[in-house]
Amino acid sequence: QVQLVQSGAEVKKPGASVKVSCKASGYTFNMYGIIWVRQAPGQGLEWMGWISAHNDNTNYAQKFQGRVTMTTDTSTRTAYMELRSLRFDDTAVYYCARGWSSTSVDYFDYWGQGTLVTVSS
Amino acid sequence: DIQMTQSPSTLSASVGDRVTITCRASQSISTWLAWYQQKPGKAPKLLIYRTSTLESGVPSRFSGSGSGTEFTLTISSLQPDDFATYYCQQYNSYSSFGPGTKVDIK
Repeated sequence: QVQLVQSGAEVKKPGASVKVSCKASGYTFNMYGIIWVRQAPGQGLEWMGWISAHNDNTNYAQKFQGRVTMTTDTSTRTAYMELRSLRFDDTAVYYCARGWSSTSVDYFDYWGQGTLVTVSS
Repeated sequence: DIQMTQSPSTLSASVGDRVTITCRASQSISTWLAWYQQKPGKAPKLLIYRTSTLESGVPSRFSGSGSGTEFTLTISSLQPDDFATYYCQQYNSYSSFGPGTKVDIK
């Protein structure tokens, strides 16, 4: 069965970076995309960006351009999301999800369990 | 960027009620719209994609319709398991989510 397993919770200081991993299993990794979505406490879902596991093409939300990098490692079937220059309002649960298409942003059919990133001094 | 809005933001309903949630896009997204259900502390779950296609395993009481800029999610007969928050998502141009509609018990 399709599974996405994310890395554990992180606590970071303002200005630091965080790198969250998302390990996929149960499907052909490079035939789909991976998206990253975050959810601040008590808030809605915010789309951060997408990466093709086929060719590493990326689309980032304008809000995160220059601060986020998404990568994949097909040998380990793992996707990564690095967010730099962390601020207090980056405190959120970060989700990865499988995007239906490997060539464009699409809908998301399987989700990871979420990773809580807390930014605190 | 395409902005998504949803109405209402909160909906109080009873088991057995017919429930309709509206999602609007700031520009035409054709039928590139999905709906998700999220329960507290859990990841979202895909319900519907391409406006009206039910994801495998999703009960048939859920349905979706619309095109262009206006879309609806309908639950024909609300069940206890359906009390949750619902989000629409456009994927016509990059992606964005609506702010969510919380369905709670009347």
